Amino acid sequence: KQEVTQIPAALSVPEGENLVLNCSFTDSAIYNLQWFRQDPGKGLTSLLLIQSSQREQTSGRLNASLDKSSGRSTLYIAASQPGDSATYLCAVFTGTASKLTFGTGTRLQVTL
Amino acid sequence: DAGVTQSPTHLIKTRGQHVTLRCSPISGHKSVSWYQQVLGQGPQFIFQYYEKEERGRGNFPDRFSARQFPNYSSELNVNALLLGDSALYLCASSLGHLVMNTEAFFGQGTRLTVV
Repeated sequence: KQEVTQIPAALSVPEGENLVLNCSFTDSAIYNLQWFRQDPGKGLTSLLLIQSSQREQTSGRLNASLDKSSGRSTLYIAASQPGDSATYLCAVFTGTASKLTFGTGTRLQVTL
Repeated sequence: DAGVTQSPTHLIKTRGQHVTLRCSPISGHKSVSWYQQVLGQGPQFIFQYYEKEERGRGNFPDRFSARQFPNYSSELNVNALLLGDSALYLCASSLGHLVMNTEAFFGQGTRLTVV
């Protein structure tokens, strides 16, 4: 059974700092990994999708890496801004079950 | 282009009642999945539908059912509501069945409160 863990559960940083969010998964037989952002009470916004054959993806200030063999992914956010405050979720797709398995998220607060 | 749309946005129901949640996927997407997210947790998979057929089912009781229509929109039905069914219900849309190489796009969700 696939299990996804995200560390830390919560993080507070001052504006301008670079930060790293961690995601680990127990079954390395994944097709892809996706990072999402969720604002309170809202739906999920897709940030980055990494295929199992890829090592990283970049979008603006965001960079996500994937080490499939060790079951780990990181989301790097450069020059954080108060607008980045949200919960960040990672999810892995395991084809046999046709579903995304999510972690519990990292709640990020960027302070002025 | 319209994203994934869900209706209603909020809903309050009494224990024992029935509820129907609706989802319209992104135009051109044929796969719809449903997830339940309780407060403080990550979303949990309920169903996936592709080309009007159920392709995956999560660990939820038979009170939960769904269907997909010819226009690829979908309904999630929950019977005999329990307090524990209170959650944010999320619909995800993707191009294909196995979603292997495509992103999943989520709607804003339906907040269901059971009292």
